[in-house]
Amino acid sequence: KAGVTQTPRYLIKTRGQQVTLSCSPISGHRSVSWYQQTPGQGLQFLFEYFSETQRNKGNFPGRFSGRQFSNSRSEMNVSTLELGDSALYLCASSLVAGGATEAFFGQGTRLTVV
Amino acid sequence: DAKTTQPNSMESNEEEPVHLPCNHSTISGTDYIHWYRQLPSQGPEYVIHGLTSNVNNRMASLAIAEDRKSSTLILHRATLRDAAVYYCILRGGSNYKLTFGKGTLLTVNP
Repeated sequence: KAGVTQTPRYLIKTRGQQVTLSCSPISGHRSVSWYQQTPGQGLQFLFEYFSETQRNKGNFPGRFSGRQFSNSRSEMNVSTLELGDSALYLCASSLVAGGATEAFFGQGTRLTVV
Repeated sequence: DAKTTQPNSMESNEEEPVHLPCNHSTISGTDYIHWYRQLPSQGPEYVIHGLTSNVNNRMASLAIAEDRKSSTLILHRATLRDAAVYYCILRGGSNYKLTFGKGTLLTVNP
């Protein structure tokens, strides 16, 4: 079956702009999580959605937001981009959320802010 | 979140077994032990997870100490494609997020 698909794979934006990233989870998976990966901070949790509801949010400013649609596809949005937002953004899907289930990651979207 | 401790790096030779250790002395009764790995320029890849008993799958084995305060990921025959950063993560029964540490960078020598 198809894996987690993230689009676009690469993106270059200018400071102050906004960006929307998309994630299509594995078919049947209802939990989608987003992570930011930078060389300095490693992998950090952004937020998690389940059945269109955000259930948990990491320690990121309000410029970072997301949503999940009825088909479980998810988008994350970053407004007023800063240079420090340059990172690899990863999406993970799970059948449900919790310790008993594994998460499957997409290839990520590499965002560069100039 | 309960914390895990892993060596920063390990080295192995191709076709030899690799034992990657992880300490998690503050693990709670509902925490599952998860292992993921990340190859360069790719997203993390699920390897294996377990609760109390040892687990095997096509990729690896997970040996869990009886007191659950440590675990070991075993790659039975390392290949060059196993060179990656390996993350040991505790995930509670209703925990929505994976908390990644710095992981162990595994180098496999030909």
